[in-house]
Amino acid sequence: DVKVTQSSRYLVKRTGEKVFLECVQDMDHENMFWYRQDPGLGLRLIYFSYDVKMKEKGDIPEGYSVSREKKERFSLILESASTNQTSMYLCASSPNPGRGANYGYTFGSGTRLTVV
Amino acid sequence: AQKITQTQPGMFVQEKEAVTLDCTYDTSDQSYGLFWYKQPSSGEMIFLIYQGSYDEQNATEGRYSLNFQKARKSANLVISASQLGDSAMYFCAALYNFNKFYFGSGTKLNVKP
Repeated sequence: DVKVTQSSRYLVKRTGEKVFLECVQDMDHENMFWYRQDPGLGLRLIYFSYDVKMKEKGDIPEGYSVSREKKERFSLILESASTNQTSMYLCASSPNPGRGANYGYTFGSGTRLTVV
Repeated sequence: AQKITQTQPGMFVQEKEAVTLDCTYDTSDQSYGLFWYKQPSSGEMIFLIYQGSYDEQNATEGRYSLNFQKARKSANLVISASQLGDSAMYFCAALYNFNKFYFGSGTKLNVKP
């Protein structure tokens, strides 16, 4: 069963810590994304990547960075965690066009991060 | 700006009845895709249904159908014969540039027994 795997389901970190959220997909998808989800705000795009070693800022990149050293892995980094980064983080991947009419996202199960 | 609007933050429906979740989108692109996702309390996002902008027929997947009205830029999700397991958050999303999704703020559906 193909899927997107996020390394942690729940995470509690202290303010100021450097936090790594890992995401791995086994579908050979070119594109990977990090979203955060907050009540009433839906999903907001933090960063995305179209290829290895490539990254693009989304709508809310401040306070985050990403790394994509291998095609299957996309890491989200909180350089210095703050309480306003407490949220649900969702990773997703998608294929390039031409690999089927439905090239929607496949999501991971999410990481609930609490910063105290 | 590309935008997805879901105007119903929460909805109730009686078990076995049909329910419509509203979604409107805003784009000048000719080619785009529309999606609905379900998010149960466990948090994972589950793909439900897809409609391409050039598809002439409304998409259907089992009890889910997408009421696509291109001129109105609406893509409402219809769930027939609601089940208790349908209680969840539902997100409408649009794919405008082949690789980047825009999501609505979601509708929380509660199915009453």
